[in-house]
Amino acid sequence: DIVMTQSPDSLAVSLGERATINCKSSQSVLYSSNNKNYLAWYQQKAGQPPKPLIYWASTRESGVPDRFSGSGSGTDFTLTISSLQAEDVAVYYCQQYYSKWTFGRGTKVEIK
Amino acid sequence: QVQLVQSGAEVKKPGASVKVSCKASGYTFTNYYMHWVRQAPGQGLEWMGTINPSGGSTGYAQKFQGRVTMTTDTSTNTVDMELSSLGSEDTAVYYCARGGRYCSSSAICNDQYYYYMDVWGKGTTVTVSS
Repeated sequence: DIVMTQSPDSLAVSLGERATINCKSSQSVLYSSNNKNYLAWYQQKAGQPPKPLIYWASTRESGVPDRFSGSGSGTDFTLTISSLQAEDVAVYYCQQYYSKWTFGRGTKVEIK
Repeated sequence: QVQLVQSGAEVKKPGASVKVSCKASGYTFTNYYMHWVRQAPGQGLEWMGTINPSGGSTGYAQKFQGRVTMTTDTSTNTVDMELSSLGSEDTAVYYCARGGRYCSSSAICNDQYYYYMDVWGKGTTVTVSS
């Protein structure tokens, strides 16, 4: 199975500042025939189900604010929140869907 | 709108089985794969398996092979997940989540078996305790 490793486990960022979360896969999730990275990001707030934010590594889900962006290719990916808002406090998960489905362990984002 | 409504919380004894239901609405049920994902208390997300509501073919995570059964009922647009031989480690919130689009023929559309999960149910808490 593909192992997804996220870092850091948690981070505290001041309101309006940038938050960056990293995700590394144990093997490439780039499918050469369509040049797509099979990588998604989810946001989970306390007591709620996960909410998709990004898919194909960099495509924002409809309705997701543009302060959220995804980048990377192959085995290394990043989720960036350009200007942290209070409502962004949550745990963020990366997920690969290249070969079955596996999630990272999550990164908890808090306000400093 | 697209919705997945799950059945209510369950409390089970060790060794028992539990069945959790997920009723879909707002889209053509047989056109999309459905996944089950669980989350133990304070832990991360764990994929359990997927079912194609059109025909009922399944794919299970190796960890749950032999212990999980996923079924579908197209008359009620419902997917069920049954987990047997429960232990305390199965205490978790169980989610159903819609996957990609199923397509029977590449001449018509692109099958999206490997796809992200775009709609999630609210979750069903299963507690295993003696």
